[in-house]
Amino acid sequence: NAGVTQTPKFQVLKTGQSMTLQCAQDMNHEYMSWYRQDPGMGLRLIHYSVGAGITDQGEVPNGYNVSRSTTEDFPLRLLSAAPSQTSVYFCASSYGQGRKTQYFGPGTRLLVL
Amino acid sequence: GENVEQHPSTLSVQEGDSAVIKCTYSDSASNYFPWYKQELGKRPQLIIDIRSNVGEKKDQRIAVTLNKTAKHFSLHITETQPEDSAVYFCAWGDSNYQLIWGAGTKLIIKP
Repeated sequence: NAGVTQTPKFQVLKTGQSMTLQCAQDMNHEYMSWYRQDPGMGLRLIHYSVGAGITDQGEVPNGYNVSRSTTEDFPLRLLSAAPSQTSVYFCASSYGQGRKTQYFGPGTRLLVL
Repeated sequence: GENVEQHPSTLSVQEGDSAVIKCTYSDSASNYFPWYKQELGKRPQLIIDIRSNVGEKKDQRIAVTLNKTAKHFSLHITETQPEDSAVYFCAWGDSNYQLIWGAGTKLIIKP
């Protein structure tokens, strides 16, 4: 199993540009989520999904959209990039919400100029 | 809102000594408390977790203790080694089944 994969590994955007961060898992996990990690602030939940066709907002959803058309894929879309979205983005999956082991992808480092 | 306080933010210990990191949570209904380790440039990975029906859990050199009355739980690492250098995150499962994360503790092992 590849586990959780993310692409790209690194991306530079200009303010106002849009892009999609890809996330895929091959463990048949129901629950998937996106976090952003900023220095000294730990992991903050952006959006999550409890299964195909179901998504919900986390702690910091503004400026981001998600969709879950399949169990395997959970892309994160930045609608109009801002410098405040410079961060490391992690996708994670698990068999269930909250009280199950979260398996993280390798992360995408995003720089918005 | 719900939160978790994690202390200290940085911890420097001599190799071979013990390290203790403490987290305090706010939701008394929570019953799941995991600890994740993140090495520099890598992804977070689960190292140990505890559920509220036990007060302590051990796995070789690491242990987690839970005090539900005081609403705090701690990570204990004994006989620290250079490979223990990393950032450690605590988290707890809230009543909505989400994980609430601490801000992290940078553990430095001095040779």
